[in-house]
Formats: sequence, C-alpha cells, structure tokens
Amino acid sequence: DTEVTQTPKHLVMGMTNKKSLKCEQHMGHRAMYWYKQKAKKPPELMFVYSYEKLSINESVPSRFSPECPNSSLLNLHLHALQPEDSALYLCASSQALGREISDTQYFGPGTRLTVL
Amino acid sequence: GQQVMQIPQYQHVQEGEDFTTYCNSSTTLSNIQWYKQRPGGHPVFLIQLVKSGEVKKQKRLTFQFGEAKKNSSLHITATQTTDVGTYFCAGNPYNTDKLIFGTGTRLQVFP
Repeated sequence: DTEVTQTPKHLVMGMTNKKSLKCEQHMGHRAMYWYKQKAKKPPELMFVYSYEKLSINESVPSRFSPECPNSSLLNLHLHALQPEDSALYLCASSQALGREISDTQYFGPGTRLTVL
Repeated sequence: GQQVMQIPQYQHVQEGEDFTTYCNSSTTLSNIQWYKQRPGGHPVFLIQLVKSGEVKKQKRLTFQFGEAKKNSSLHITATQTTDVGTYFCAGNPYNTDKLIFGTGTRLQVFP
C-alpha cells in the first residue's frame, strides 16, 4: 500500500472558523510533511514530523497548528485563517529523515481549502 | 536563500515533438528528485538521481544529474497527450532534510 489519504478533499471555511485537515499513511513511514501549494506554484514546505516529533517548522503562522497523534496520522488544525491562506494543502510521507540520501516522498491527493 | 529554478516556465508542443526542462540550483544538492503533477492532481514521484553525472531512463523519459550536482534535466522523446502536466525537480541541499522544489515547468501537448 503506497497510498497517503487526506480528508476532506475540499473545505470552505470562514475566517472565524476552526477546522482540521487529516492525513493518514500505512506504509510504516516515520517522516510526515505538510505542504502548501498555490495555483501554478511549487509546493512550499510548512512542517515536518519525524518519529512523531516536530522536526521542522518553516516559520508558519500560529493560525496553523500541526499535530501528530501517532506514526500513521498527521493533522493540521486551522483557526482564524485569512483569505490568502486559500490553497491546496498537501500531506506527504517518507521512510525517515536524517539519511544521507533523502527518501522518496509520497503525496496525498490534497485538501483544497477556500477561506472566505 | 536556497533556490531551485526551472526553465522554461511553460511549454506547449505538438504531439510527437520532444520536450526538455532544465533545473538549476543555487547550492550543491545531495540528490535530485523529479515529480509530475497532472492538472488538478498531486505530485507523483518519477525518479531520483544521486551520483554526479548520472543518467537514467524510463521509457521515453531521460533524466540527467549534472557533474557539479547543481543542475538536472528531464527530456521527453516523442511527447504524448498523457505527458501533460507540471514537472517539478526537487533537491536536498547537503546536511538538510528539506526537499526544495523547483519552480516547475508546465507542459501542454496538442494532438
């Protein structure tokens, strides 16, 4: 199983709402990632978890709050977002971090978020 | 900061023509990966190159990693309409766990 699943596929929220994005993988991967992708742009790294601990935070605003409840799950909690936060949010996983040669990243289908 | 640029930004070709995208990094990379993202889809891993000067082929696709490990290219021979999408290179600078994506090349193939 080389699949990364993400829910929901689409999300529309107001600026005062609180919502969560979910990501799941069952490949035994120990590194999980959140990326943000705007239209016609490359994915931008937001957070990286390694062995369920936050390893990299790319200076993301605190209105985005990641959580890794266990090795298979990754959440992204959203609160008080702005319209410019509208984007495709991609989750990815890879075997591990800290290797001399990085591992392939497997991407989920993404959540298309619209903030009104 | 570390940047990975790709050219061209956009290319449209007639089906059957060849296509090449070039990837240039501001820093030396430990490896380079290539991903394809179809319209409305998510990035899908194509290949990874690790060694200086490495060349790999996948059917009509040929990937190269430069001798200095700062650039790479993807060449598609005899494009098909199924090749449509955006091609991203992505590399790891040495001693970092971050995968830095290139700016992408969007390929359109006309039948």
